[in-house]
Amino acid sequence: GAVVSQHPSWVICKSGTSVKIECRSLDFQATTMFWYRQFPKQSLMLMATSNEGSKATYEQGVEKDKFLINHASLTLSTLTVTSAHPEDSSFYICSARAGTANVLTFGAGSRLTVL
Amino acid sequence: GESVGLHLPTLSVQEGDNSIINCAYSNSASDYFIWYKQESGKGPQFIIDIRSNMDKRQGQRVTVLLNKTVKHLSLQIAATQPGDSAVYFCAENFNQGGKLIFGQGTELSVKP
Repeated sequence: GAVVSQHPSWVICKSGTSVKIECRSLDFQATTMFWYRQFPKQSLMLMATSNEGSKATYEQGVEKDKFLINHASLTLSTLTVTSAHPEDSSFYICSARAGTANVLTFGAGSRLTVL
Repeated sequence: GESVGLHLPTLSVQEGDNSIINCAYSNSASDYFIWYKQESGKGPQFIIDIRSNMDKRQGQRVTVLLNKTVKHLSLQIAATQPGDSAVYFCAENFNQGGKLIFGQGTELSVKP
């Protein structure tokens, strides 16, 4: 079955630094990837839709200059949290869809802690 | 961003009992629905899906019911086991290949 890999699985950084999270589709090509954010005991909140070869589409309220998304190939999307602050500490989860398939396959998530 | 940011409701059941988890979705135009299971510290795992032209679909030990009139979705788990303990989310999709929006989620706790 489809596998999505995220890296790193957890990261701790100092306030003001930038952190990059990678999302890879291992055995299929993902024309579309989605980035979600999840706070403890809450649901997944869609941040943005990442389309291969074009700019990401951000959800309302999500700062595109703070959460940089790059989807340069059909198997890799990256999320960079720029100038991270403690309030950016969260669980970031990516998902990928092969073609127009409805089912999304999720990565294992990346836990970011900003000190 | 979309989705509900409230704290999760919980459901506690005895091992062997049946569980019913409910979800209210937001968009009457949604045409595809998925239930996901999320264990602590992990990403969501697909359980079962249903299209809007159906009102019931069964899998192994799980059944999803869809009531479009009241925009309600439910997940029934038969003979609940300790390994079923997790958070369960419904998600809706309202255009082919479009984004998936998650519902509030329910934390299921199975007592041995």
